[in-house]
Amino acid sequence: DTAVSQTPKYLVTQMGNDKSIKCEQNLGHDTMYWYKQDSKKFLKIMFSYNNKELIINETVPNRFSPKSPDKAHLNLHINSLELGDSAVYFCASSPHPNEKLFFGSGTQLSVL
Amino acid sequence: AQSVAQPEDQVNVAEGNPLTVKCTYSVSGNPYLFWYVQYPNRGLQFLLKYITGDNLVKGSYGFEAEFNKSQTSFHLKKPSALVSDSALYFCAVADYGQNFVFGPGTRLSVLP
Repeated sequence: DTAVSQTPKYLVTQMGNDKSIKCEQNLGHDTMYWYKQDSKKFLKIMFSYNNKELIINETVPNRFSPKSPDKAHLNLHINSLELGDSAVYFCASSPHPNEKLFFGSGTQLSVL
Repeated sequence: AQSVAQPEDQVNVAEGNPLTVKCTYSVSGNPYLFWYVQYPNRGLQFLLKYITGDNLVKGSYGFEAEFNKSQTSFHLKKPSALVSDSALYFCAVADYGQNFVFGPGTRLSVLP
């Protein structure tokens, strides 16, 4: 069983569209995250949720909106996609903040 | 603010030789330090962590890391490299209660 699963694995879409990426973890962790990895492989945190509550929101455009319906899920919705949004998006979870992260396998987003 | 540096973009080593991947960090308090490995088209996988205790930390796949407080370093080491160790390695640091900041990554190539 995959501990942290995210779908879809690949997402190709046109500029201006709205898209969502889903993430689920079956580890019983309290904390979930979204990270963005750019083409140079730099990893940057976007959002962090603890028990369904947003605890950090780094400087990301408000076109990006996370939603956590329950502790096991953290979805990422992106409005009005732009070329610069093309990247790999990773979901991750941890038992608590400052504990080791368990990563999903990533969603490669390509905006054309 | 916390930060991480990985001074080498690329490290090449012959199979069977020892390897070192360097990491230096900056935090205001006591650091939480981690190493992760990323294989192509995969999410990051946890290798090892230092929070407190012995300065030499042993992790997965024969890797270890040495915490050096005076030099603010946390270098990753392995006594004998394998071709299968070839991957992208990330150092990460967090201050207590803060989210992790990842280094830019070091690509390790182990040559047969």
